[in-house]
Amino acid sequence: EPEVTQTPSHQVTQMGQEVILRCVPISNHLYFYWYRQILGQKVEFLVSFYNNEISEKSEIFDDQFSVERPDGSNFTLKIRSTKLEDSAMYFCASSTTGVNQPQHFGDGTRLSIL
Amino acid sequence: AQSVTQPDIHITVSEGASLELRCNYSYGATPYLFWYVQSPGQGLQLLLKYFSGDTLVQGIKGFEAEFKRSQSSFNLRKPSVHWSDAAEYFCAVALYSGAGSYQLTFGKGTKLSVIP
Repeated sequence: EPEVTQTPSHQVTQMGQEVILRCVPISNHLYFYWYRQILGQKVEFLVSFYNNEISEKSEIFDDQFSVERPDGSNFTLKIRSTKLEDSAMYFCASSTTGVNQPQHFGDGTRLSIL
Repeated sequence: AQSVTQPDIHITVSEGASLELRCNYSYGATPYLFWYVQSPGQGLQLLLKYFSGDTLVQGIKGFEAEFKRSQSSFNLRKPSVHWSDAAEYFCAVALYSGAGSYQLTFGKGTKLSVIP
């Protein structure tokens, strides 16, 4: 069964550094999402992306965050200047059409900010 | 704003016993509801979904869930739990935005432990 693939599985970065998290969504999917889960807390929506632009973003997704689909297969989340509070598990998800289709999640990237 | 409440943080059941995980939602319109499972070190795997129609939905791994509009609930059930079901379970509701995409609002999760 096709899967959403995320790399790396664990990223350790110094505070203030830029980090890029990578995702390869399922190939025929059109909608792409990022979520994060701070340790011990809920999974939270960050952003949705469709047709090469952001559809929706949460208040968490401030100017430090950006997303990009640089080619036909990858979907990336960039954090420009990381803070300690960015430490979390970041999940990428994708779905075929939006309505009535479930989102399929990757295994996540654990981001640790030192 | 929509929200999801999972009142049980941690549940322990014996292998072979039945299971019910509770989920209550708050949403202004007809909700689209999901249950996901997360094993340690893994991502979120979809167990089942409710969009419309029959209020009792069947999912993978022998799970089912019942949508009860009058109680704003979407409880997950399994008649006989296996040791491999030990994981964390998340209930979620979809909030649709424009262009057909939607964001999921998750509950805090219920951790299930299974004892032999």
